Amino acid sequence: DTAVSQTPKYLVTQMGNDKSIKCEQNLGHDTMYWYKQDSKKFLKIMFSYNNKELIINETVPNRFSPKSPDKAHLNLHINSLELGDSAVYFCASSQVAGIGELFFGEGSRLTVL
Amino acid sequence: AQSVAQPEDQVNVAEGNPLTVKCTYSVSGNPYLFWYVQYPNRGLQFLLKYITGDNLVKGSYGFEAEFNKSQTSFHLKKPSALVSDSALYFCAVREKSGYALNFGKGTSLLVTP
Repeated sequence: DTAVSQTPKYLVTQMGNDKSIKCEQNLGHDTMYWYKQDSKKFLKIMFSYNNKELIINETVPNRFSPKSPDKAHLNLHINSLELGDSAVYFCASSQVAGIGELFFGEGSRLTVL
Repeated sequence: AQSVAQPEDQVNVAEGNPLTVKCTYSVSGNPYLFWYVQYPNRGLQFLLKYITGDNLVKGSYGFEAEFNKSQTSFHLKKPSALVSDSALYFCAVREKSGYALNFGKGTSLLVTP
């Protein structure tokens, strides 16, 4: 049973398109996150939701919009894709925002051509 | 502001030898510290964390880390390295009042037979 699952695993698309990545966790956690890992493997927090409420909204272009329909799901929608958006996007969840470790999905590799 | 530094891009160790992957941190107040491992094309896997208490923390796969407050360090160690330990290792920090983890840039560990 996959704890944190993301779909799709791979996305290849043209500049200017809109795409979404979905994330679901079956761990019963209250907090979910989106991280971006660039080509140098650097990980940067983008967003976090706690019980469907946005608690972290880092300096990210407003073309990126998270949506949490319930606490088990956190989706990421990206409008007007740019070359620089190419990266691996990781969803994660934690039981307690603060001391709980994060559980990560396997990542969604986005390639913008 | 909270940050974490991993001074080595790569660590090379012979199988059977002890390994150390270095991490230093900078936070206001007491930190929560974490180590994660990432295998190629996979998500991050939690290894261990320091929240409070004993400065020596034991984690998964025989890894341990020592919290040193005076040196603001949290180095990852293993007494005897395995070839299968070869991967990318991330140190992360969270302030007690924070939510997301801030990750270091990662250290690539290569264990040779």
